[in-house]
Amino acid sequence: QKEVEQNSGPLSVPEGAIASLNCTYSDRGSQSFFWYRQYSGKSPELIMFIYSNGDKEDGRFTAQLNKASQYVSLLIRDSQPSDSATYLCAVRDNAGNNRKLIWGLGTSLAVNP
Amino acid sequence: EAQVTQNPRYLITVTGKKLTVTCSQNMNHEYMSWYRQDPGLGLRQIYYSMNVEVTDKGDVPEGYKVSRKEKRNFPLILESPSPNQTSLYFCASSVGGRRQETQYFGPGTRLLVL
Repeated sequence: QKEVEQNSGPLSVPEGAIASLNCTYSDRGSQSFFWYRQYSGKSPELIMFIYSNGDKEDGRFTAQLNKASQYVSLLIRDSQPSDSATYLCAVRDNAGNNRKLIWGLGTSLAVNP
Repeated sequence: EAQVTQNPRYLITVTGKKLTVTCSQNMNHEYMSWYRQDPGLGLRQIYYSMNVEVTDKGDVPEGYKVSRKEKRNFPLILESPSPNQTSLYFCASSVGGRRQETQYFGPGTRLLVL
């Protein structure tokens, strides 16, 4: 069974610090990886996607992918209280035609003022 | 504004009373999907649709039906709801190639079945 694993947290960081969120996946053939942010009671919203090994930066967010280690991470620089949310890692399932995403359970992040 | 809408947002019903949750997107997306989200279980796909009149089961389809008669609409039907279908439901639509899949989620429907 294909799995995506994340530490549930909560991860607590002070305002202005770097938050580091990690995700591992089981399907070595996976090619596309996504980070979504979900505020309590709200719908997930896409932060970043990455499909090449290395780093991808977008503003305060950096996604890092290491396919050999089957590991993807999200760094949030200069963390703000508004970043407090659950961060969901998702991996595209390449089997068949279903554009299904396999989801981790999420890591809860708390940024303390 | 590009969006996915769902209705109703909140629903309390009783066991066995048929209900429909509507989902509509205005982005001309071919792919649409329904998820349920439960504590400790995460997001699980119920059904998906690759295009009009093309639907298939996801991971947890039991007790649900869907239809896709128009590209923009993808309703979720619970013919005889049971308490174990109490959950937070999300509709999503997506665009992009195989790599750059971007799923857009509706605001969610919180369902309580008594």
